[in-house]
Amino acid sequence: GIQVEQSPPDLILQEGANSTLRCNFSDSVNNLQWFHQNPWGQLINLFYIPSGTKQNGRLSATTVATERYSLLYISSSQTTDSGVYFCAVERGLTGGGNKLTFGTGTQLKVEL
Amino acid sequence: DADVTQTPRNRITKTGKRIMLECSQTKGHDRMYWYRQDPGLGLRLIYYSFDVKDINKGEISDGYSVSRQAQAKFSLSLESAIPNQTALYFCATSDLRWREGPTDTQYFGPGTRLTVL
Repeated sequence: GIQVEQSPPDLILQEGANSTLRCNFSDSVNNLQWFHQNPWGQLINLFYIPSGTKQNGRLSATTVATERYSLLYISSSQTTDSGVYFCAVERGLTGGGNKLTFGTGTQLKVEL
Repeated sequence: DADVTQTPRNRITKTGKRIMLECSQTKGHDRMYWYRQDPGLGLRLIYYSFDVKDINKGEISDGYSVSRQAQAKFSLSLESAIPNQTALYFCATSDLRWREGPTDTQYFGPGTRLTVL
């Protein structure tokens, strides 16, 4: 099956710093999503980004589908950004629709 | 956003017990999914359903069963729980859309933390 690799696995930032998280995938995909899992376990969809660049406040994401990678940028980080960031790629399922395959995540801790 | 709800939120049980996790959604989506998350790992698909009469196995279905009681309800059962089923379980829903091909955005419930002793 498709492999989804995220880097770095762990990241510690001082509040106010910027960071870039990377997601590489091994085969063509229908689409890609970025999620934030907060310390309480809740999964929040950040971006739905099959290609190109999107921005939402201090976060932005870029996917280059032809080169099989996506980047998530966090600017001016805050302690509330802490948690695990997952990318998940969509592939076709038998009978239609798509299956999400998740990477193993980047654990981010933002310190004061 | 309480469009996808899961009950219970936390459960501790013993080996051999039968457990049911429930998921309800008010988004009107046809598609529902069950995932499990183990510590330090991403989510893995257990079962998925495209409508009430359509149930499919995911990548790790052994030891689990599901029931789609209605469009809005999808339950996951562990017939005889074992310790390695200790995990965080997520339900998700989606609605097929077309952009440059078939695509779904999946919306996740808050998760159920299950511990099997």
